[in-house]
Amino acid sequence: DTAVSQTPKYLVTQMGNDKSIKCEQNLGHDTMYWYKQDSKKFLKIMFSYNNKELIINETVPNRFSPKSPDKAHLNLHINSLELGDSAVYFCASSQAGTGPTEQFFGPGTRLTVL
Amino acid sequence: AQSVTQLDSHVSVSEGTPVLLRCNYSSSYSPSLFWYVQHPNKGLQLLLKYTSAATLVKGINGFEAEFKKSETSFHLTKPSAHMSDAAEYFCVVSGWSGNTGKLIFGQGTTLQVKP
Repeated sequence: DTAVSQTPKYLVTQMGNDKSIKCEQNLGHDTMYWYKQDSKKFLKIMFSYNNKELIINETVPNRFSPKSPDKAHLNLHINSLELGDSAVYFCASSQAGTGPTEQFFGPGTRLTVL
Repeated sequence: AQSVTQLDSHVSVSEGTPVLLRCNYSSSYSPSLFWYVQHPNKGLQLLLKYTSAATLVKGINGFEAEFKKSETSFHLTKPSAHMSDAAEYFCVVSGWSGNTGKLIFGQGTTLQVKP
């Protein structure tokens, strides 16, 4: 019973290609996130959706476009991939409340751009 | 603005000895703080969280952390390290945007456990 799942786990592609990463959570949460972990293991938030509405959009190139078809899914589409996009991308979810709450993370998608 | 600083990028201990991973935070209001662990090629798992209740927080696998406001610290400890504790540890503070919290991660501390 995977709480937050991502597909694919590994993604190897050429520069200039377009690719998507999918995320699904079965925890009934109303908020989902995308984080990027670089080669130095530093994690930074990219996007957050609450009830399918974009809440957080950090300074991410507009080649990255999140899409949330419903509360349980948050996909990440990346256009015109660049070498610098190589990283591990983590999806997470939480239940919005009156204060900060724990986020549950998926296993990550390792993207390698050649 | 919130931020966290993990004071050690790498900590090495022998199995059975205590673990101390240090974290200082900066926050303009009473923070929520977390420790997450990431085992090699795995996702992140919550170890423990502080949300303005008891200052000494107990987590999974024998870990605990103490919130010290006067020192703006939230150090992670464990009395006796196990080989399976070898992993990357992240100290995290929760920022706030609307009604959605975003996690702000420290740089991470790699814990090595020697037999």
